[in-house]
Amino acid sequence: RKEVEQDPGPFNVPEGATVAFNCTYSNSASQSFFWYRQDCRKEPKLLMSVYSSGNEDGRFTAQLNRASQYISLLIRDSKLSDSATYLCVVNTPTSNTGKLIFGQGTTLQVKP
Amino acid sequence: DTEVTQTPKHLVMGMTNKKSLKCEQHMGHRAMYWYKQKAKKPPELMFVYSYEKLSINESVPSRFSPECPNSSLLNLHLHALQPEDSALYLCASSLSGTGGTEQYFGPGTRLTVT
Repeated sequence: RKEVEQDPGPFNVPEGATVAFNCTYSNSASQSFFWYRQDCRKEPKLLMSVYSSGNEDGRFTAQLNRASQYISLLIRDSKLSDSATYLCVVNTPTSNTGKLIFGQGTTLQVKP
Repeated sequence: DTEVTQTPKHLVMGMTNKKSLKCEQHMGHRAMYWYKQKAKKPPELMFVYSYEKLSINESVPSRFSPECPNSSLLNLHLHALQPEDSALYLCASSLSGTGGTEQYFGPGTRLTVT
């Protein structure tokens, strides 16, 4: 089983749609969780950290379910500019370093 | 300001060349990272420096040699690379090297080995 698993997609949605991505992680001791966005041929950019209580930033909502070891990202009112790959990222609690584990990424294509 | 800069943006080198990639951050971050990314794959960790000391080497071949001259700078020295080493090389930094903090990526160096 991969340490961080995501549905690679692609998710093809019309503008204005609501879309949700899911991610599961295998290590129950993981403590820190992030969503990054990566545009084609660009670097990953931090979209948001994911907190236990869930958090929202404009049209984006992230949720964490520790019991099920599951993280989600909800995008409301999709824009063309949301088209990108979304990476689910989890820290490794077994080493006292900054090592992060990346999921394979979920591709989103928002169409007019 | 969450900026990490990298030079050069693009690099083409032969298998016998020696070149260096450079990375700089002025955010006061104490951990810096090198990643390698192939097309349609997630970034793959190569090295971690924490407080200017190498803390992780992910079994990277010795033809890649990292160097951290000070807390703001990170270099990656390249020698006798293979065509399969062609990839996007990303530098990142984080406030702490002890895990749990966000990493900020530079724009990367796109390397082609001929």
